[in-house]
Amino acid sequence: EIVLTQSPDTLSLSPGQRGTLSCRASQSVSTSYIAWYQQKPGRAPRLLIYSASSRATGIPDRFSGSGSGTDFTLTISRLEPEDFAVFYCQYYGTSALTFGGGTKVEIK
Amino acid sequence: EVQLVESGGGLEQPGRSLRLSCTTSGFTFGDYDVTWVRQAPGKGLTWVGFIRSRFYGATTQLAASVKGRFTISRDDSKSIAYLQMNSLKIEDTAVYYCARGRSILDYWGLGTVVTVSS
Repeated sequence: EIVLTQSPDTLSLSPGQRGTLSCRASQSVSTSYIAWYQQKPGRAPRLLIYSASSRATGIPDRFSGSGSGTDFTLTISRLEPEDFAVFYCQYYGTSALTFGGGTKVEIK
Repeated sequence: EVQLVESGGGLEQPGRSLRLSCTTSGFTFGDYDVTWVRQAPGKGLTWVGFIRSRFYGATTQLAASVKGRFTISRDDSKSIAYLQMNSLKIEDTAVYYCARGRSILDYWGLGTVVTVSS
């Protein structure tokens, strides 16, 4: 079973700053099977990135994904006020899905 | 517009049952897999299971924590997916979301709250 570990737990940043979120898999995975979601309080998650680096429809280009093997990164180039939320990485295998524990990006 | 709406949540006692519905619109439901994800209060996202489309025989996969207690089904004629939850436990308390897909979850419902308490 693949375990995803996200870091840091909380990231305190100011609008306009760059945010870098990490997701580490317990074993090497295909880049095709990593996704990132954003969740705001009281809201459903929203797909941001799939296949590690492809932006979902309507997602601004300040969001980007990268990585391979066991280490994946979500980067927010310049944080906008609406970007502050919890972010989850996800691995999709052939018969199960796994989510990371999440990183909260909060306003400093 | 793609929409998914969960319903059927509520307060139930341990050991009892609940059936959640995921009513969809705006896409050809029968062509898509559907996934259930839950979120316990103040916690992260946890995969519950999925049901494949008719193209893959509407087969299901469930997380180990719910296998044997929960089942997923679908009615393509009504564009609805169901999550039947039996032998409920206190730890099943969560917001339950349905989402389109079984790998990339591109559309989600707003969720329905399930509380298991005596």
